[in-house]
Amino acid sequence: DGGITQSPKYLFRKEGQNVTLSCEQNLNHDAMYWYRQDPGQGLRLIYYSQIVNDFQKGDIAEGYSVSREKKESFPLTVTSAQKNPTAFYLCASSMGADTQYFGPGTRLTVL
Amino acid sequence: EDQVTQSPEALRLQEGESSSLNCSYTVSGLRGLFWYRQDPGKGPEFLFTLYSAGEEKEKERLKATLTKKESFLHITAPKPEDSATYLCAGGQGGKLIFGQGTELSVKP
Repeated sequence: DGGITQSPKYLFRKEGQNVTLSCEQNLNHDAMYWYRQDPGQGLRLIYYSQIVNDFQKGDIAEGYSVSREKKESFPLTVTSAQKNPTAFYLCASSMGADTQYFGPGTRLTVL
Repeated sequence: EDQVTQSPEALRLQEGESSSLNCSYTVSGLRGLFWYRQDPGKGPEFLFTLYSAGEEKEKERLKATLTKKESFLHITAPKPEDSATYLCAGGQGGKLIFGQGTELSVKP
């Protein structure tokens, strides 16, 4: 089955800790994205990557970092510099500028 | 400023009561208007893409339309299983600008 997987489904972070969220796709899509969703708000773009070894900041990149070493993978690290990281994180992929398809999401909670 | 605004924020319908959701947009260089459905705790599920004013697309009880300033998602004779949050987004250079969503509840 082709699709996008995210892990873990739930993640808990202590103050001052970095955590990494996984996103993998087997759709052979070139582009991958990370969004953050807060209650009652739309999705906000954190980072995106259109090709391997290249990525761009979105609207709310501060406190986050990414890498794109393989076409299939686009992990997101939430660093201790992100002051309010509790949110639902969504990964998506697309073929070029075409329709984006989303993964099931990771819910991150700060303890 | 590029933005997408959805209304209403929440909509409660009785089963079979048709209605429409609105998505107003001001997105420079718009390349597609996208509709998604999102169930609680899940990732958004793609519904439609519209590219030009006057375009319409249908899927079961849903029909999406597009003008130069707005898109509408019409729901005909909804069923309880249509309850979800509906998101619209404007495409811009490979990125999507999302509205805040409309939470639809359909009661039997």
